[in-house]
Amino acid sequence: GAVVSQHPSWVICKSGTSVKIECRSLDFQATTMFWYRQFPKQSLMLMATSNEGSKATYEQGVEKDKFLINHASLTLSTLTVTSAHPEDSSFYICSARDHRGRVGTDTQYFGPGTRLTVL
Amino acid sequence: KQEVTQIPAALSVPEGENLVLNCSFTDSAIYNLQWFRQDPGKGLTSLLLIQSSQREQTSGRLNASLDKSSGRSTLYIAASQPGDSATYLCAVYTGGFKTIFGAGTRLFVKA
Repeated sequence: GAVVSQHPSWVICKSGTSVKIECRSLDFQATTMFWYRQFPKQSLMLMATSNEGSKATYEQGVEKDKFLINHASLTLSTLTVTSAHPEDSSFYICSARDHRGRVGTDTQYFGPGTRLTVL
Repeated sequence: KQEVTQIPAALSVPEGENLVLNCSFTDSAIYNLQWFRQDPGKGLTSLLLIQSSQREQTSGRLNASLDKSSGRSTLYIAASQPGDSATYLCAVYTGGFKTIFGAGTRLFVKA
């Protein structure tokens, strides 16, 4: 199946700094990628939908100025957590859909996740 | 607004037992439903994908069913093994091109 990678797999940073997380689709092109956040023992919450060549669409309650998303190419989306604070510590997972098939039949592939810890 | 519920939240069974995990969703307008496995601190592994036009999918000891009209799906695990211990997530792909996840079922299979 298709592969989605994330980098880094984990990061520890000081409060007030910015952290960039990369998400890549390795063997397919993804016009749309998704960013999720997961708190311990909770499910994944969709943060935003990243669209290649246009602005991301953020879910209600997600601060777009804090979580900057850039979908620079058909295989790369980045999430930058700006001025990180301890409450931003979480597991961030990206996903991409392989649109080569008919709409609705496409499969969603997930990256391995990035564990962010803000001290 | 689509909501996905998984029952039970946690389950502990002895090795070898057959078990069923349940998933329900409030809006039947879905493209597909997917079951994932997540090990602690890890990402997601896709187990089974059922298109809206399908009733079930099978992979090895896993069988997933979908009843779109009633908004339900089940994941059946046969002859459970300790290696099956993980959190199982159900997710629906909606007409709004979004994937909505359930809270998951934490499974522990005792040796």
